[in-house]
Amino acid sequence: DARVTQTPRDKVTEMGQEVTMRCQPILGHNTVFWYRQTMMQGLELLAYFRNRAPLDDSGMPKDRFSAEMPDATLATLKIQPSEPRDSAVYFCASGVGDSNNEQFFGPGTRLTVL
Amino acid sequence: AQSVTQLGSHVSVSEGALVLLRCNYSSSVPPYLFWYVQYPNQGLQLLLKYTSAATLVKGINGFEAEFKKSETSFHLTKPSAHMSDAAEYFCAVIGVGNTPLVFGKGTRLSVIA
Repeated sequence: DARVTQTPRDKVTEMGQEVTMRCQPILGHNTVFWYRQTMMQGLELLAYFRNRAPLDDSGMPKDRFSAEMPDATLATLKIQPSEPRDSAVYFCASGVGDSNNEQFFGPGTRLTVL
Repeated sequence: AQSVTQLGSHVSVSEGALVLLRCNYSSSVPPYLFWYVQYPNQGLQLLLKYTSAATLVKGINGFEAEFKKSETSFHLTKPSAHMSDAAEYFCAVIGVGNTPLVFGKGTRLSVIA
């Protein structure tokens, strides 16, 4: 049963540390999304890729966040340095083609920055 | 800009009662609309989507939604709530130029035995 996988599932770190979150999209999916979910802001789109090329990362704080797709089977989201306000659940989702197609979400990475 | 507004951050219903979750949209073009569900500690899962083929859309788990252009609404319903329906529900609309989904704030559904 194909699904999006994310690692780690939980991460606790101290302020100032680098955090790397990984996502493996469903094989054959060419669109990858990164979202952040908090109680206050809800679900926010951070960045998305199509065919490994970044299409929009305007939702990310540029000075500390970066997103990449080293290959078609791996997407990464890095925060350096991390801050307490980055504490949230980060979701990766993948899909095929245009946005009107279904997005398949991973289980999320719960990040706590102390 | 495209947007959706979900009325009510928390809805509570008795088991067996009608479920109605409200969503109103704002769109400058004919919209593509979606409902996603999020169970505790999980990612979102597609319930149903409207793509202009039919105004009444049936989804998984007995849910359906009706697109009403005159009311700019896409409310989600289920005739009889089950305990397993307790979750967070998100309405979403595709952005202008086929850009990614814009999600509402979500509505938490509680089902009381």
